[in-house]
Amino acid sequence: DVKVTQSSRYLVKRTGEKVFLECVQDMDHENMFWYRQDPGLGLRLIYFSYDVKMKEKGDIPEGYSVSREKKERFSLILESASTNQTSMYLCASSLSATANYGYTFGSGTRLTVV
Amino acid sequence: GENVEQHPSTLSVQEGDSAVIKCTYSDSASNYFPWYKQELGKGPQLIIDIRSNVGEKKDQRIAVTLNKTAKHFSLHITETQPEDSAVYFCAARRSGDKIIFGKGTRLHILP
Repeated sequence: DVKVTQSSRYLVKRTGEKVFLECVQDMDHENMFWYRQDPGLGLRLIYFSYDVKMKEKGDIPEGYSVSREKKERFSLILESASTNQTSMYLCASSLSATANYGYTFGSGTRLTVV
Repeated sequence: GENVEQHPSTLSVQEGDSAVIKCTYSDSASNYFPWYKQELGKGPQLIIDIRSNVGEKKDQRIAVTLNKTAKHFSLHITETQPEDSAVYFCAARRSGDKIIFGKGTRLHILP
């Protein structure tokens, strides 16, 4: 069964910490995405990547960065965590930019910054 | 760019009744329309999708309809059951571009 795996389901971090959220997919997908989900705001795109070592800003990239050193792994980095980054973070992947299919999502990481 | 509007934001239906969630999109070049279901504590899962060359698609109790002229598409769930309680997202995509999601509908199935 194809999978997108996020390393942590729940995470509690302190303000100012550097936080790494990891995502791994086993489907040989080219595209990977990071979203945050907040009540009433839906899914907001933070960053995405169409290929290894490539990254593109989404709608709300401020305060975040990403790393994609290998095709299967896409990491989201909170450089200095703040309380307003408390949220559910969802990773997703898709086959390619030209293949018109849906995304496969991970189960999410609920991050609390205190 | 594409904009997807979804209504209602919350929907409560009696178990056994039908539920309908409606979406509109702005980009006439969008040609792929997936629907996702997100259960509590889980990531969204694709439940059904439709492409622009088709007007309707059905899978057991769920169906999607697409009106390209009006840029409307809808999700229909018949004979609702408790396990249908979830948040549902509609989305639209044009080839070569990202998926754009609606803001979601929280569906409550009342006993």
